Amino acid sequence: GAGVSQTPSNKVTEKGKYVELRCDPISGHTALYWYRQSLGQGPEFLIYFQGTGAADDSGLPNDRFFAVRPEGSVSTLKIQRTERGDSAVYLCASSPTSPDEQFFGPGTRLTVL
Amino acid sequence: AQSVTQLGSHVSVSEGALVLLRCNYSSSVPPYLFWYVQYPNQGLQLLLKYTTGATLVKGINGFEAEFKKSETSFHLTKPSAHMSDAAEYFCAVSKGFGNEKLTFGTGTRLTIIP
Repeated sequence: GAGVSQTPSNKVTEKGKYVELRCDPISGHTALYWYRQSLGQGPEFLIYFQGTGAADDSGLPNDRFFAVRPEGSVSTLKIQRTERGDSAVYLCASSPTSPDEQFFGPGTRLTVL
Repeated sequence: AQSVTQLGSHVSVSEGALVLLRCNYSSSVPPYLFWYVQYPNQGLQLLLKYTTGATLVKGINGFEAEFKKSETSFHLTKPSAHMSDAAEYFCAVSKGFGNEKLTFGTGTRLTIIP
C-alpha cells in the first residue's frame, strides 16, 4: 500500500518568507508526527496529532512554527518569517491506533537562503 | 526526560564481519526502544523494536538487538555484514504509553569495507 508522502521534496526559500510543508499519512492512521532533522543529527520531535488535535506541541521551537490537521488526515506544517537556521529536513510520520511503530515519509528538505 | 546516546558516529567493518552499533538510553519509565535505518535520500525504516516481553529482538535484514535493563542498553548486532548494510542507523526511545513521540540518538554511519 501507499506509504507516507510529503510534498514538496525540496523547498528553497529566502529569509523572511513563509512556507508550507505537506504530509499525507497512511490511510487510516490516526496519529501523525512532525520531526526536524538537521545535518548530522538525529530527528527531533516537533509536534504530534491524535486525530485533528495537537496532543503534544512541546517540540515547536517558537511561535513562527505552526501545524494543522483539520480533517484528521493531511497535515500542513507552516513556518513564518523563515530564518537560515530553519534549514533542515522535515520528516512526517504516521502511526495506526495501536501504538509503538511510526512510519516515516521521505522528508522535505528546506533550504533558507 | 528521555535521552539516547549512540557511541561512535562512524563505524567501519569489513564485509562478512560482525556489526555492533551501541545505544544507551535514559528513561524515567519502562521504555519502548527502536532501531531505524536511513539510506541516502530515503525515509527512516524500522529495523526492529522492543516493547515488552522477550529481551532479544530480531528484526529485518538479519539484525537483532538485546534490551539490557541493568545496563540501560539496546545494542544492535548483525553476525555478518553485507555491502547493502551501509547506511545511517538511529536508536530511539519512547515512553510507550501509546502514540508517543520518539527521542532519537545522533546516529551512527555504518561503512562496509569490501
